Amino acid sequence: NAGVTQTPKFQVLKTGQSMTLQCAQDMNHNSMYWYRQDPGMGLRLIYYSASEGTTDKGEVPNGYNVSRLNKREFSLRLESAAPSQTSVYFCASSPQGPGAYGYTFGSGTRLTVV
Amino acid sequence: GESVGLHLPTLSVQEGDNSIINCAYSNSASDYFIWYKQESGKGPQFIIDIRSNMDKRQGQRVTVLLNKTVKHLSLQIAATQPGDSAVYFCAELKGQGGKLIFGQGTELSVKP
Repeated sequence: NAGVTQTPKFQVLKTGQSMTLQCAQDMNHNSMYWYRQDPGMGLRLIYYSASEGTTDKGEVPNGYNVSRLNKREFSLRLESAAPSQTSVYFCASSPQGPGAYGYTFGSGTRLTVV
Repeated sequence: GESVGLHLPTLSVQEGDNSIINCAYSNSASDYFIWYKQESGKGPQFIIDIRSNMDKRQGQRVTVLLNKTVKHLSLQIAATQPGDSAVYFCAELKGQGGKLIFGQGTELSVKP
């Protein structure tokens, strides 16, 4: 089992360009999340999807949109990239049960906006 | 507002020593507190969690202590090994399927 798969692993964008970060999980988890991690900081929640068909804003949603395409896939879109969005983006999923044991992270997408 | 933060940004220990990483939280009704390990270029990896109604929980070489009186969380790693070198984050989780809120992180460096 692959767990949580993110694509691409690396991306360089010019200011104003758009792109979509893809995330898929094969663990039949109900909930999925997008985080960003800036140097020397913890992960901050951008958007999450508690279950298929629902999405909600996290701590830092501005400049992003998400789509929960189906139970497996949760994509993050930057409509007009800005240098402030240079970061490492992590997707995660969880089975929506008590505790955090099943919370699984992908390996990240390193995005640079120039 | 709520926050989860770490006291020390870096910690350097000798191989074989015990390590203690600390975390403070404030104004939280979270159900769980979690410790994650993040190695360079990888996503966070779950280490151990503890429910808010517990004071202590032990795993393999790791122990988490929760002091609700002073809103303090700590991770103890016994007999620290070079493979333990990483950034460690504490996080809090609210409810079933809730959102993780992360602290800043502590970089642990293990000297051989």
